[in-house]
Amino acid sequence: KNQVEQSPQSLIILEGKNCTLQCNYTVSPFSNLRWYKQDTGRGPVSLTIMTFSENTKSNGRYTATLDADTKQSSLHITASQLSDSASYICVVTAWGNNRLAFGKGNQVVVIP
Amino acid sequence: EAGVAQSPRYKIIEKRQSVAFWCNPISGHATLYWYQQILGQGPKLLIQFQNNGVVDDSQLPKDRFSAERLKGVDSTLKIQPAKLEDSAVYLCASSPVGSGINYGYTFGSGTRLTVV
Repeated sequence: KNQVEQSPQSLIILEGKNCTLQCNYTVSPFSNLRWYKQDTGRGPVSLTIMTFSENTKSNGRYTATLDADTKQSSLHITASQLSDSASYICVVTAWGNNRLAFGKGNQVVVIP
Repeated sequence: EAGVAQSPRYKIIEKRQSVAFWCNPISGHATLYWYQQILGQGPKLLIQFQNNGVVDDSQLPKDRFSAERLKGVDSTLKIQPAKLEDSAVYLCASSPVGSGINYGYTFGSGTRLTVV
């Protein structure tokens, strides 16, 4: 079973609308959680990184939340743009060995 | 700061042929990773180097895949012979060691391999 589960697998949203992506994880002990944006055919680019003590972090129109007690994170995209069309990958790092556990990604398509 | 450089960007080969990918990490990053990302999946770690030593290659199909990082800087990943199921994006990433790993972890743009 994958240690990082993301939902929904894919979604289509209208330009200008908001959306929220979910990430649940079982990685323990926990070190940090990252959200990456991956455009088609490109490498992942880091959006946010949160450690145990942080429960929200913003990067422009992207806001990530973390609940380390329930082991859940979300990525909220505000006022979506066509350029937001991409895969959003949740990555959780284990404390100690620094092993990274990857989710399969949320595929977002923004349409005009 | 220059990012992680990878080449080529794209490669199409026939099955049973050989292929090699190259990665140049961010200057000063001691740790280098190779990942395989199949379409619709998250990246899967193939091999991790620290300097020129292998830290983890437990998921590397060693019968056909090999990787080296001879001088602790750039690295080469080779597939010989390729199979259809090797079609994927091959990502290289690098990071500093210690506490900097969290904030310094950076991916390259990847090499998209198609095996026909």
